Amino acid sequence: QQPVQSPQAVILREGEDAVINCSSSKALYSVHWYRQKHGEAPVFLMILLKGGEQKGHEKISASFNEKKQQSSLYLTASQLSYSGTYFCGTSSGGSNYKLTFGKGTLLTVNP
Amino acid sequence: GAVVSQHPSRVICKSGTSVKIECRSLDFQATTMFWYRQFPKQSLMLMATSNEGSKATYEQGVEKDKFLINHASLTLSTLTVTSAHPEDSSFYICSARGRGQSYSYEQYFGPGTRLTVT
Repeated sequence: QQPVQSPQAVILREGEDAVINCSSSKALYSVHWYRQKHGEAPVFLMILLKGGEQKGHEKISASFNEKKQQSSLYLTASQLSYSGTYFCGTSSGGSNYKLTFGKGTLLTVNP
Repeated sequence: GAVVSQHPSRVICKSGTSVKIECRSLDFQATTMFWYRQFPKQSLMLMATSNEGSKATYEQGVEKDKFLINHASLTLSTLTVTSAHPEDSSFYICSARGRGQSYSYEQYFGPGTRLTVT
């Protein structure tokens, strides 16, 4: 079942912060975050595994609450390069570890 | 590390012809490769999962006789769109998941192939 992302779109000014949420109705083993720019393939940002963890690099971090089956992506002090569509992909495990992606959140960072 | 290539990046073909798309993991061995289709401004829809040396597993609603997948080695998977029709026009993206601690959970995407059927 497809995870639900919110918001659908967000517009920021450079330097502002944003939070993108991803929730699932199924028990999750992991949550994967990607950013995709127009006409390009998704770029891997980070993965959060079951166990309820928080991760981050530079000004992008994420949390995973496995009890609530939710994950949030935090973008702080946004830069113009952060613009794109953010997808969360969720997995319930299994041998192939396939992902189901949300509909995406379009983030636009303006100068 | 974790580079996935895809070829071709763009292809235009006539209705009724077949098109083959290659997906290669360049610096790691891919135990599993995934094929996705993405329509404009929409999400990534998984078409099939392939493991090296075994038959692909197709998602519900995906015609296995139309979208032929071959995962011949740990670094190469191919998707052949047979008897293509205009409604098959889309952005096709592969991803790969590797063996070993570094790549066992992440999926890394290729750059995608834009298919246009006229």
